[in-house]
Amino acid sequence: SAVISQKPSRDICQRGTSLTIQCQVDSQVTMMFWYRQQPGQSLTLIATANQGSEATYESGFVIDKFPISRPNLTFSTLTVSNMSPEDSSIYLCSALQGSDTEAFFGQGTRLTVV
Amino acid sequence: GESVGLHLPTLSVQEGDNSIINCAYSNSASDYFIWYKQESGKGPQFIIDIRSNMDKRQGQRVTVLLNKTVKHLSLQIAATQPGDSAVYFCAEKAGGGNKLTFGTGTQLKVEL
Repeated sequence: SAVISQKPSRDICQRGTSLTIQCQVDSQVTMMFWYRQQPGQSLTLIATANQGSEATYESGFVIDKFPISRPNLTFSTLTVSNMSPEDSSIYLCSALQGSDTEAFFGQGTRLTVV
Repeated sequence: GESVGLHLPTLSVQEGDNSIINCAYSNSASDYFIWYKQESGKGPQFIIDIRSNMDKRQGQRVTVLLNKTVKHLSLQIAATQPGDSAVYFCAEKAGGGNKLTFGTGTQLKVEL
């Protein structure tokens, strides 16, 4: 499977600011996703990052709070906007190389908002 | 590793014993299932998958069993090793879609 690199791996941010997380895959993938994982909990899908068009958001997540870009088949960004302590979480990038295959993940970005 | 706010069920096994981790799913339309292993500070790592036209699949030291009648999935790890200590998640995908829905997760602790 391809390798996903996420940057930054962790950050501590002031409330009210925004953070952009980058996700780079070392080969072309068909689909890219962003997940949130709060400490000790499971993964929740935020959105599907669509290449060349607006991301598809899951219930409870909106574009104004989590703008996503995907300019090409190997790169995506997730911005966490106007952060509050409730946004403290691990954010994970995921990708599929083909339909009906397993998704693989980056190492995650651990965000702490103070 | 992160332990504050940990809500995951825990399974403790002795090194060398077999482990069985269970998962219930709710969507009868799900036709593809995956088990992931997540070590502290890392992203989930693929272990094994199974499609709904099968009820058993074996890998190296791992076996996945699928019971569609009761919507139940299990992961069996043979001869559990300290390196198997991690959180294990099941994930399901509904037919025709690409989104994965993750289960609650189980913390596996291997005691020496």
